[in-house]
Amino acid sequence: DARVTQTPRDKVTEMGQEVTMRCQPILGHNTVFWYRQTMMQGLELLAYFRNRAPLDDSGMPKDRFSAEMPDATLATLKIQPSEPRDSAVYFCASGLSQGGLYGYTFGSGTRLTVV
Amino acid sequence: QKEVEQNSGPLSVPEGAIASLNCTYSDRGSQSFFWYRQYSGKSPELIMSIYSNGDKEDGRFTAQLNKASQYVSLLIRDSQPSDSATYLCAVTRGYQKVTFGTGTKLQVIP
Repeated sequence: DARVTQTPRDKVTEMGQEVTMRCQPILGHNTVFWYRQTMMQGLELLAYFRNRAPLDDSGMPKDRFSAEMPDATLATLKIQPSEPRDSAVYFCASGLSQGGLYGYTFGSGTRLTVV
Repeated sequence: QKEVEQNSGPLSVPEGAIASLNCTYSDRGSQSFFWYRQYSGKSPELIMSIYSNGDKEDGRFTAQLNKASQYVSLLIRDSQPSDSATYLCAVTRGYQKVTFGTGTKLQVIP
């Protein structure tokens, strides 16, 4: 079964520390999304890439968040410095560019706790 | 107005009953509509997609779309306790980003 792999599964860090989350999209998928999920806000789109090019990162606090795709097999989301309000589950999802028609596959998520 | 709206629930139905989950969206140009199921502590899983007005059936699930009313629904027949989860409605226009609702929590009571 093809799957989207996210690491780490859980991360607890102190306020002010840098956090890096990684995502390996399904081989052949050319569209990658980063979502954040909280009880209050639900799923919020942070950034997305098509063919490794960033298309939209308007949902991301740019002063502290950054998203990159150094190659087709790796997407990263960094938070520096982290704050308690960043505590959430961060999901990566991947699909084909036609995924707007056919949907996307989610990874298992990274649960981030900033204390 | 939120782009995709759902009643947060919880929606409680007895086992064997029909569960009806509803979603409205604001972008009249939306073209693709999805239902994702998310179990507690797990990631969303795509269960249904629909692109044209009318009904689409897949096993116990039926998705219904009414573009004129900007309304999409999911019916679950013969509900089972294993259907207890949060159901997320998602909408997109063409190849653009998918926008999610906040989800409806469904509880199927044995």
